[in-house]
Amino acid sequence: DSGVTQTPKHLITATGQRVTLRCSPRSGDLSVYWYQQSLDQGLQFLIHYYNGEERAKGNILERFSAQQFPDLHSELNLSSLELGDSALYFCASSVGGSGRETQYFGPGTRLLVL
Amino acid sequence: AQTVTQSQPEMSVQEAETVTLSCTYDTSESDYYLFWYKQPPSRQMILVIRQEAYKQQNATENRFSVNFQKAAKSFSLKISDSQLGDAAMYFCAYRSTPFEGGSEKLVFGKGTKLTVNP
Repeated sequence: DSGVTQTPKHLITATGQRVTLRCSPRSGDLSVYWYQQSLDQGLQFLIHYYNGEERAKGNILERFSAQQFPDLHSELNLSSLELGDSALYFCASSVGGSGRETQYFGPGTRLLVL
Repeated sequence: AQTVTQSQPEMSVQEAETVTLSCTYDTSESDYYLFWYKQPPSRQMILVIRQEAYKQQNATENRFSVNFQKAAKSFSLKISDSQLGDAAMYFCAYRSTPFEGGSEKLVFGKGTKLTVNP
């Protein structure tokens, strides 16, 4: 158990819908990262937050957005869902600050868009 | 942009034997980190081992060790005394550092599926 929690574990929804994925980092960690794992694209970085501020963006679609709250949990919002958005979404956390820390991954949220 | 290549989509090993998984990467940076993550059927991403580029000594964690060749941009993972529980997808990953002005994102290879035969 990495100490990173993600909810829900599974999500089944329809095209055009909107969903919210939640991540709670390890106690004391200030950085949260979101990654998407799909069969065709592999593991891809989406976005990084540090202590409530956006630090870096990767291949994140405009239909997707994220934020980190004052209690440091983070949410990834996916809207106007398409079949191709079906994937495993991981959250990872690290202490943050030095940029040299290891990232620890949550168990992931499996999203299926029908 | 950095890239990570794992040229072996699948590997197999007999229980108690040794196996080596390959990884090469492309970067113009001198300060960075390399990682091996394991993803068992549960899909959890588990850190196996980490190497800092400025350290010449190869990292070791129990039965797992790496062969880091900085000039060749190669980072292989050796698993000794393989166990059934080692069966998983293994991902090699690269991360820049603030010294290089890079993002802290992990760049992953496509993975190697390891099967352990009893």
